[in-house]
Amino acid sequence: AQSVTQPDIHITVSEGASLELRCNYSYGATPYLFWYVQSPGQGLQLLLKYFSGDTLVQGIKGFEAEFKRSQSSFNLRKPSVHWSDAAEYFCAVGSNTGFQKLVFGTGTRLLVSP
Amino acid sequence: EADIYQTPRYLVIGTGKKITLECSQTMGHDKMYWYQQDPGMELHLIHYSYGVNSTEKGDLSSESTVSRIRTEHFPLTLESARPSHTSQYLCASSELGVGEQYFGPGTRLTVT
Repeated sequence: AQSVTQPDIHITVSEGASLELRCNYSYGATPYLFWYVQSPGQGLQLLLKYFSGDTLVQGIKGFEAEFKRSQSSFNLRKPSVHWSDAAEYFCAVGSNTGFQKLVFGTGTRLLVSP
Repeated sequence: EADIYQTPRYLVIGTGKKITLECSQTMGHDKMYWYQQDPGMELHLIHYSYGVNSTEKGDLSSESTVSRIRTEHFPLTLESARPSHTSQYLCASSELGVGEQYFGPGTRLTVT
C-alpha cells in the first residue's frame, strides 16, 4: 500500500524568500504524485501533478516540484513566497491499480512573515 | 462552468438528528469521494463511488452512508448525529483512471 510522509508540520518563511516543502512517498511501482493547497475553510486546489516524463513539473501560482525516484521524494518549491501563499499544503500519491485512490500526507502549514 | 458544489457550507445540529450533506458536480466525472478532515489533520477517505449504483467504504470507518443514483450527485447521510461526528467533510470527483481529484469547498459540521 502506498503512503506519504510530510515531515514538517509547520514552516515559517519570510515574504520574498524561497520555499521548499518536503514530501516522501512509499509505493512499489511508478507513483502518480500530486500537490494540493488548502486555504482556511476551503477545499483543496491542485497545484501540480507528476505522472511520467520530465521529473521537474511546473504548476500554478509559480510552484514547481521535482520527482526524485532514488530518494522517493517529490518536494515542492517556490523561488519567492507571497503572503497569499500562507495555507496548508498536502502531498498525495496515487496508485495505478485497483480503485486508483489517492493517499494524502498529513499536510504542512505554511506561515509567511512580513 | 464545470465545478463541484457542497451544501450546506456550515451546519450546527443537535445530537440524534438526521442530516444529509449534499455534493454535486457538473464535470461528468464517474468517480466521486467523501473525505473527513479534522482541523489541521490529514484527509481520511470514508466513501467512494465508481459510478451510478456503486458505493464503497473507504479507509476510515464511518457511521455515515452514501448513495449514487445520478452521476452528478453523491449525498452523505448521518442517521443519528453525535458529537464525535463533528468534523469537516470534503467531497471530490475525478475521471476514471488515476487523475487529479477536484474538491468541493467542504461542509463544516458541528454536533452539539
